[in-house]
Amino acid sequence: NAGVTQTPKFQVLKTGQSMTLQCAQDMNHNSMYWYRQDPGMGLRLIYYSASEGTTDKGEVPNGYNVSRLNKREFSLRLESAAPSQTSVYFCASSQGTLYEQYFGPGTRLTVT
Amino acid sequence: ILNVEQSPQSLHVQEGDSTNFTCSFPSSNFYALHWYRWETAKSPEALFVMTLNGDEKKKGRISATLNTKEGYSYLYIKGSQPEDSATYLCASNTGGFKTIFGAGTRLFVKA
Repeated sequence: NAGVTQTPKFQVLKTGQSMTLQCAQDMNHNSMYWYRQDPGMGLRLIYYSASEGTTDKGEVPNGYNVSRLNKREFSLRLESAAPSQTSVYFCASSQGTLYEQYFGPGTRLTVT
Repeated sequence: ILNVEQSPQSLHVQEGDSTNFTCSFPSSNFYALHWYRWETAKSPEALFVMTLNGDEKKKGRISATLNTKEGYSYLYIKGSQPEDSATYLCASNTGGFKTIFGAGTRLFVKA
């Protein structure tokens, strides 16, 4: 039982490059989330998927797109990376809003 | 977007001290309040999810209370140990799936 897994763990991009962060969970959770974490700030919600087949914007969605590929997988795409997107990205999953979220190990992204 | 505030930002205590932190959140449209523990180089781990005014939850030496009418929650640690050193996050739901996190309280426990 791996919980929530994320790939890659580290990535360096040049401005304008694109990439996809992958996330998968094996807990049969309905809901999945993408957050970014910047120094001195709390986790900020980028996008979430309440259930398979649905996605919605969070607090800071600009510059990102997501895909809920199936119940297990939720990917985050940066189409044209910018230095402001340098951050640590966390994926999480939960049974629903009244339940705790389980977090992946994070992806540290640097955009130069 | 509602604001979730945590205080203090950081706290240094001696082993054996008891301590507490505060999480403030807008009380309107309250749905749930979460507490997480986040150790360095790891991922946040859930401590409590609280939904009802007056809720009290306990896990070992850690406990939390909730006041939804005035919009605050306290996290208490009794007899702090060095392994309690971590960042403690609170997060608020106002219905739906949007979870707003505070910036956290970083606790350092010296042996």
